[in-house]
Amino acid sequence: ETGVTQSPTHLIKTRGQQVTLRCSSQSGHNTVSWYQQALGQGPQFIFQYYREEENGRGNFPPRFSGLQFPNYSSELNVNALELDDSALYLCASSFLGLGDTEAFFGQGTRLTVV
Amino acid sequence: AQSVTQPDIHITVSEGASLELRCNYSYGATPYLFWYVQSPGQGLQLLLKYFSGDTLVQGIKGFEAEFKRSQSSFNLRKPSVHWSDAAEYFCAVGEIQGAQKLVFGQGTRLTINP
Repeated sequence: ETGVTQSPTHLIKTRGQQVTLRCSSQSGHNTVSWYQQALGQGPQFIFQYYREEENGRGNFPPRFSGLQFPNYSSELNVNALELDDSALYLCASSFLGLGDTEAFFGQGTRLTVV
Repeated sequence: AQSVTQPDIHITVSEGASLELRCNYSYGATPYLFWYVQSPGQGLQLLLKYFSGDTLVQGIKGFEAEFKRSQSSFNLRKPSVHWSDAAEYFCAVGEIQGAQKLVFGQGTRLTINP
């Protein structure tokens, strides 16, 4: 167990709708990253939040947005859902500071857009 | 730009046989390298990581990996596989400050024959 929890585990949405996915970081971590993993592919970096500010973004459109809260939990919001947004969404928490660190992943949220 | 190539999409080995999964990376500086394992429908579990120092790193579950700068490789090995090792394996490269932003390969699916 990594201590990173995501909710919900599965979700079905209709094209054009909006969705919010949630992540609770591991205790002591101050950074959360979100990844999209399409079927049969490796995870792709969406964005990262550090101290409630976006700290880097991958090649994803603005309809993908996020929040990080003072307790370091996080949300991923996706507007105007498209069929290609169907994927496993993974949250990873880590500690950005002195020294080397590693990311701990949650179990993911499986989003299906129909 | 960083990139990771896992040349083998699918590998089948017999239980008890040795295993080597290949990973090649492209990165302008000293990379931070990782191997993750993913069971069906699950999140990612860290097997091992290389930040600096000894180029042969030991991980969990009896896995090891060797960093070869001259070949831009970070191959994963295990001397004797178990049926429970069947899973998807991902190699990833991280930015200089650690695993804050990961670039993943597309993965290698490992099947174990009894």
